[in-house]
Amino acid sequence: SQTIHQWPATLVQPVGSPLSLECTVEGTSNPNLYWYRQAAGRGLQLLFYSVGIGQISSEVPQNLSASRPQDRQFILSSKKLLLSDSGFYLCASTAGVRSYEQYFGPGTRLTVT
Amino acid sequence: GESVGLHLPTLSVQEGDNSIINCAYSNSASDYFIWYKQESGKGPQFIIDIRSNMDKRQGQRVTVLLNKTVKHLSLQIAATQPGDSAVYFCAENSGGSNYKLTFGKGTLLTVNP
Repeated sequence: SQTIHQWPATLVQPVGSPLSLECTVEGTSNPNLYWYRQAAGRGLQLLFYSVGIGQISSEVPQNLSASRPQDRQFILSSKKLLLSDSGFYLCASTAGVRSYEQYFGPGTRLTVT
Repeated sequence: GESVGLHLPTLSVQEGDNSIINCAYSNSASDYFIWYKQESGKGPQFIIDIRSNMDKRQGQRVTVLLNKTVKHLSLQIAATQPGDSAVYFCAENSGGSNYKLTFGKGTLLTVNP
């Protein structure tokens, strides 16, 4: 079974500072990878997904970007954080490129002050 | 797409009772559905899935029912326990080469001892 790691677990950053969140996956190859954001008491908003190294699809216009430098590594970044970037960020992975089942990491709680 | 909602639907049950959590989906082309459980501060956990060629699937203490005619999905939890308290999300996939899931707004289940 696959394991999804995210770090850091929590982060407090000032407005205007950069951001880098990392997600790594163990136990599978060629996964589809996803970044979601969840505001308190709300559902999951898909931000980015990737079907392969260097392939990134953006779902919503925003202050964030994503990169996939390796097959099982997915990074979420920002050059300058906004207050509205606060939230719970979740990385998800499928078991393979043709799988629909998504498994989630433990999440990163980001607070922008 | 984004799942939005200012207030989560809630369901409160007594320990030992059966719980039924409902979900309406909008895309008649969706052919794969998943139920997730999310405990506070954690990532969503895969519970059970069902494909559109089925109308019922059972797991350990859980049953998912799919009614394609009215585009309705339900999760039944037998003998609900305090550890079942969480937010439950349904998710759908529209099939083909699109490996994205669309999440429902979630239902907060509270189990009273």
